[in-house]
Amino acid sequence: AQSVAQPEDQVNVAEGNPLTVKCTYSVSGNPYLFWYVQYPNRGLQFLLKYITGDNLVKGSYGFEAEFNKSQTSFHLKKPSALVSDSALYFCAVRPTGANNLFFGTGTRLTVIP
Amino acid sequence: EAQVTQNPRYLITVTGKKLTVTCSQNMNHEYMSWYRQDPGLGLRQIYYSMNVEVTDKGDVPEGYKVSRKEKRNFPLILESPSPNQTSLYFCASSWRVYNEQFFGPGTRLTVL
Repeated sequence: AQSVAQPEDQVNVAEGNPLTVKCTYSVSGNPYLFWYVQYPNRGLQFLLKYITGDNLVKGSYGFEAEFNKSQTSFHLKKPSALVSDSALYFCAVRPTGANNLFFGTGTRLTVIP
Repeated sequence: EAQVTQNPRYLITVTGKKLTVTCSQNMNHEYMSWYRQDPGLGLRQIYYSMNVEVTDKGDVPEGYKVSRKEKRNFPLILESPSPNQTSLYFCASSWRVYNEQFFGPGTRLTVL
């Protein structure tokens, strides 16, 4: 079955430290991969996506993600966390040739001042 | 302003009373989708539409209907709501399925 896993429900990081939010996927072929962020009482906002090309993708608000095909992972990273980065983060995957999207269960990031 | 709007934002109803949640986008997007968000389950796709008159089931379509008669509108219909459909619902749109999705503000539905 095709799926997306975010193994950590909660990630805490000190302000100024680097952060990583993990995502692994289990789909066939070469999927398209996305990260979205949800702030309290808001809809989701797009951060970045990987379709092809460079394995390191840069996105909004200083975030980047690294695609690793052998590990089927697409971890979200930021070199220096801000308190305002505290939110719920979702990884999503579009399997090759599919017209639907699968989202992970979300990871709540808390940046501690 | 480019946006996806949903109405109502909050709805409390009773089991079996038909309801419709509207969704509209002003970006001329072809792809539209409905999701439900539940604690511990993340977002799950209910239905999606590739274009006008083209709809298909997502991961959790049971108990829902949709229609796409116009490009901008994609209403979600619950013919006979049940308590297990209590959830936070999001509509989203994009040019194609592989483009970034724009999400509406969400509709919090409670079925008693």
